[in-house]
Amino acid sequence: DVKVTQSSRYLVKRTGEKVFLECVQDMDHENMFWYRQDPGLGLRLIYFSYDVKMKEKGDIPEGYSVSREKKERFSLILESASTNQTSMYLCASTLTANTGELFFGEGSRLTVL
Amino acid sequence: KNQVEQSPQSLIILEGKNCTLQCNYTVSPFSNLRWYKQDTGRGPVSLTIMTFSENTKSNGRYTATLDADTKQSSLHITASQLSDSASYICVVRFYGNNRLAFGKGNQVVVIP
Repeated sequence: DVKVTQSSRYLVKRTGEKVFLECVQDMDHENMFWYRQDPGLGLRLIYFSYDVKMKEKGDIPEGYSVSREKKERFSLILESASTNQTSMYLCASTLTANTGELFFGEGSRLTVL
Repeated sequence: KNQVEQSPQSLIILEGKNCTLQCNYTVSPFSNLRWYKQDTGRGPVSLTIMTFSENTKSNGRYTATLDADTKQSSLHITASQLSDSASYICVVRFYGNNRLAFGKGNQVVVIP
């Protein structure tokens, strides 16, 4: 089975702190994604990556950056956390970009105070 | 305007009863449609994929339908169980650029 592991299930940070969310997949998938999920808004794409060192902006990239130094690892970075970034963050990976099933991690619930 | 609309937003059903969730989309060109189940506090998991030529597909007690002409899909849950309590998310893929459009989910609560 594909396993997508997110490093932290729950985090509490203060406004202005730098936040790292890490995601590791074990199935050699080319494609990895970061989403945030908010009540009433559904899932929204922050960034995605089709290959090592490659990244593309999603629908809501402002305030976020990403890093993909190795194929299995995709990190989401909040340079200076703000309260409006309080959310559930979901990482996903897929083998094929055109038909593939998204495999999600368990999610990281971030609270920014 | 969201390109994937799901209804009802939420529903409560008695254990053992059936229910049907609706997904209407305007995505064009269309590639495929997936239904995901998301348990509380967990990541979504794919239940089924529907392509343009498929009308019906089952996965255990879950049956998905697709009418590509009217751009509608449904997910039918038969003989609901307490473990069916979850959010069901409809995800439509664009043909060509691989973008995804997400519905906001149907929240289902099954009560004994």
